[in-house]
Amino acid sequence: GAGVSQSPRYKVAKRGQDVALRCDPISGHVSLFWYQQALGQGPEFLTYFQNEAQLDKSGLPSDRFFAERPEGSVSTLKIQRTQQEDSAVYLCASSSRDRSYEQYFGPGTRLTVT
Amino acid sequence: AQSVTQPDIHITVSEGASLELRCNYSYGATPYLFWYVQSPGQGLQLLLKYFSGDTLVQGIKGFEAEFKRSQSSFNLRKPSVHWSDAAEYFCARKAAGNKLTFGGGTRVLVKP
Repeated sequence: GAGVSQSPRYKVAKRGQDVALRCDPISGHVSLFWYQQALGQGPEFLTYFQNEAQLDKSGLPSDRFFAERPEGSVSTLKIQRTQQEDSAVYLCASSSRDRSYEQYFGPGTRLTVT
Repeated sequence: AQSVTQPDIHITVSEGASLELRCNYSYGATPYLFWYVQSPGQGLQLLLKYFSGDTLVQGIKGFEAEFKRSQSSFNLRKPSVHWSDAAEYFCARKAAGNKLTFGGGTRVLVKP
């Protein structure tokens, strides 16, 4: 596709449920990033992949958060046993090998935990 | 830790007036700096970037930004705003591993 796509766009989960958020990066982009954006805040880094390798997961807030990119393209961010504090917009971004510092963002998934 | 600060949470400007959004970054080597815009319900769109060279950079939608090392600033400007410029603006810098560190954002409201 032309840009980064994310699904679902909106997700409502009851506290304790598991959720999976999907990111389709721009075709050919080797780097993929996940960010969390709480209401009224700037995005905060969660994790980073280069191809299928997860090179940095320092921003994942707890071991309930898990991300994967098994074939170096689509990525899934999974949150187990969701808590109310997980409510946020989850943004995915990708970048090319040649311009790795220039990230293109998807529209985000708004997660609401009730 | 390297950080980015946007001192203004909200700015209201009249349509046709000029706009300046402030951004300060913490210590570090010459930073890679970015400005992004986020419209309601949308992802972040890159407006412009600075890596090196000319300290005045031009971006899309008529925006420009000036890097001032002495002031640790990278302020965004537009000479004449349009109603469609109402959005939230984020300043960011590249951190280790190409991840971005963002400021808290400035929400711009445009009065008719």
